[in-house]
Amino acid sequence: GAVVSQHPSWVICKSGTSVKIECRSLDFQATTMFWYRQFPKQSLMLMATSNEGSKATYEQGVEKDKFLINHASLTLSTLTVTSAHPEDSSFYICSATRDRDEQYFGPGTRLTVT
Amino acid sequence: AQTVTQSQPEMSVQEAETVTLSCTYDTSENNYYLFWYKQPPSRQMILVIRQEAYKQQNATENRFSVNFQKAAKSFSLKISDSQLGDTAMYFCAFIIPWGFGNEKLTFGTGTRLTIIP
Repeated sequence: GAVVSQHPSWVICKSGTSVKIECRSLDFQATTMFWYRQFPKQSLMLMATSNEGSKATYEQGVEKDKFLINHASLTLSTLTVTSAHPEDSSFYICSATRDRDEQYFGPGTRLTVT
Repeated sequence: AQTVTQSQPEMSVQEAETVTLSCTYDTSENNYYLFWYKQPPSRQMILVIRQEAYKQQNATENRFSVNFQKAAKSFSLKISDSQLGDTAMYFCAFIIPWGFGNEKLTFGTGTRLTIIP
């Protein structure tokens, strides 16, 4: 149990376009979902925390108008990278909590902006 | 603010040997949880082991065990009989369980472990 999926696993988009990444908890209802960004050979950097039906809480330095997060249900959160630029190219990982403060991670999405 | 430090950027060990990864943390809280996560080349984050600070007994999961020294704020991971599949990035992480469900994990910078055949 406690499986989190992400879609797509890899996306290439052109500079200036927007791209949406989905994060789903497949077999549980997630109280909270988290979005991380990871650069090559670096640690995970928390971007934002989202709860179903509420506005996301963004970490300092993360542009909320750039990275739109929608948490529509207890099993789905989406991250939209608006007007993407090459510097937005990265690996994006979501996680979800069910209980006991344990986060279950999705497999990640590789975004390449050309 | 909580911090997690992993002082070994890279390590390598022969297959079947034992290796210990270091982690120290800093917090003024008394109740917290510590984790070791593994990120293999697939980049899927996998929970290796978890330790509650209120438990004195060190956690173990098969070949993985921790040495939790609360006073020293140290949380090392020992991998026994290392296998090729243990090759991965290992992250130490920390959370304070306030009970709201939206608590953030604080990650260390990671240790890249390579198991040599």
